[in-house]
Amino acid sequence: EAQVTQNPRYLITVTGKKLTVTCSQNMNHEYMSWYRQDPGLGLRQIYYSMNVEVTDKGDVPEGYKVSRKEKRNFPLILESPSPNQTSLYFCASSLGGRAFRQYFGPGTRLTVT
Amino acid sequence: KQEVTQIPAALSVPEGENLVLNCSFTDSAIYNLQWFRQDPGKGLTSLLLIQSSQREQTSGRLNASLDKSSGRSTLYIAASQPGDSATYLCAPRFQGAQKLVFGQGTRLTINP
Repeated sequence: EAQVTQNPRYLITVTGKKLTVTCSQNMNHEYMSWYRQDPGLGLRQIYYSMNVEVTDKGDVPEGYKVSRKEKRNFPLILESPSPNQTSLYFCASSLGGRAFRQYFGPGTRLTVT
Repeated sequence: KQEVTQIPAALSVPEGENLVLNCSFTDSAIYNLQWFRQDPGKGLTSLLLIQSSQREQTSGRLNASLDKSSGRSTLYIAASQPGDSATYLCAPRFQGAQKLVFGQGTRLTINP
């Protein structure tokens, strides 16, 4: 089944403890992206990747890192999480180019205390 | 600034009604526009994708239209069912942008 998977789905952690949220897609998509969703602010892009080894900042990249070493994986790294990074995170992918549909993962709910 | 507005923010209707959800965007230069469904605390399910060259797309009881020149899209749901209850999000991809820009969504409740 074509899908975008994220792990973990739920995570509660403490301030400053490094964490990684994994994202994987099995559709051979070129483009991958991370969004966060917050009440009243909607979905905002954190980082995106046009292809392997090519990443760029979105609207809210502060406090996050990403890497794209393989086409199928695009992990989101929080080196030193803070409470304002408590949010619902979504990974998305698409074939790339201008016209293609974006597919979203199931989401990761992160709480930083 | 490229922005997306969805009206109404919430809508509650009895089962069986036909309804229209509205989406407006500030820049008519878009590649495409997607409509998504989101159930509480869950992920986004892509419902329809309309390319900038298209006027409408249909999938089952759903029909999405696009008027690019006026910066508007509508999602028409026919014969609504309680299972249609969810938040509906529209998201255009503006030209030159490597992201979707989301509206705040319309929270739809269908009452049996």
